[in-house]
Amino acid sequence: KQEVTQIPAALSVPEGENLVLNCSFTDSAIYNLQWFRQDPGKGLTSLLLIQSSQREQTSGRLNASLDKSSGRSTLYIAASQPGDSATYLCAVMTGGFKTIFGAGTRLFVKA
Amino acid sequence: SQTIHQWPATLVQPVGSPLSLECTVEGTSNPNLYWYRQAAGRGLQLLFYSIGIDQISSEVPQNLSASRPQDRQFILSSKKLLLSDSGFYLCAWMFGGNTEAFFGQGTRLTVV
Repeated sequence: KQEVTQIPAALSVPEGENLVLNCSFTDSAIYNLQWFRQDPGKGLTSLLLIQSSQREQTSGRLNASLDKSSGRSTLYIAASQPGDSATYLCAVMTGGFKTIFGAGTRLFVKA
Repeated sequence: SQTIHQWPATLVQPVGSPLSLECTVEGTSNPNLYWYRQAAGRGLQLLFYSIGIDQISSEVPQNLSASRPQDRQFILSSKKLLLSDSGFYLCAWMFGGNTEAFFGQGTRLTVV
């Protein structure tokens, strides 16, 4: 059974700091991995999608990497801003089109 | 462009009452549709997913059911709500097996 773990559960950093969020999964047989952002009481917004054949994806200040063999992904946020404060979720798509989520990392960027 | 609608945004229901949450997708056809529940401070739990009309897979045995009467409509139901059904319910869709997942804005259900 696929399990997804995110570390840390919560993170507080000063504005301008570069930071890394971690995601690990137990079964390397995935189709893709996706990072989402969730603001309080809202739905999820897709940030980056990495196909199983890819190693990384970049969008603006965000960079996500995937090491399928070791079951790990990282989301790198450069020059963090208060507007980046949110919960970040990673999810893997497994066989049968099921997407399994981690519990998320709550990020707070202090001005 | 593709959009996903989910309603209502919030709902307060008494224990034992029925439930019907609706999700519709626009701008695409034959999407894969999903219902997730998010408990406070926790990740998303997959409840149901559907790859076509009347094709529903259940992930967790529980007090809920799902139906897909039309290609772009996904309904989450219960005949009698329990207190433990409280949570944040999210509908999602994706096209095919290797694309991004897109989410609705969620329904906050409180069972009292």
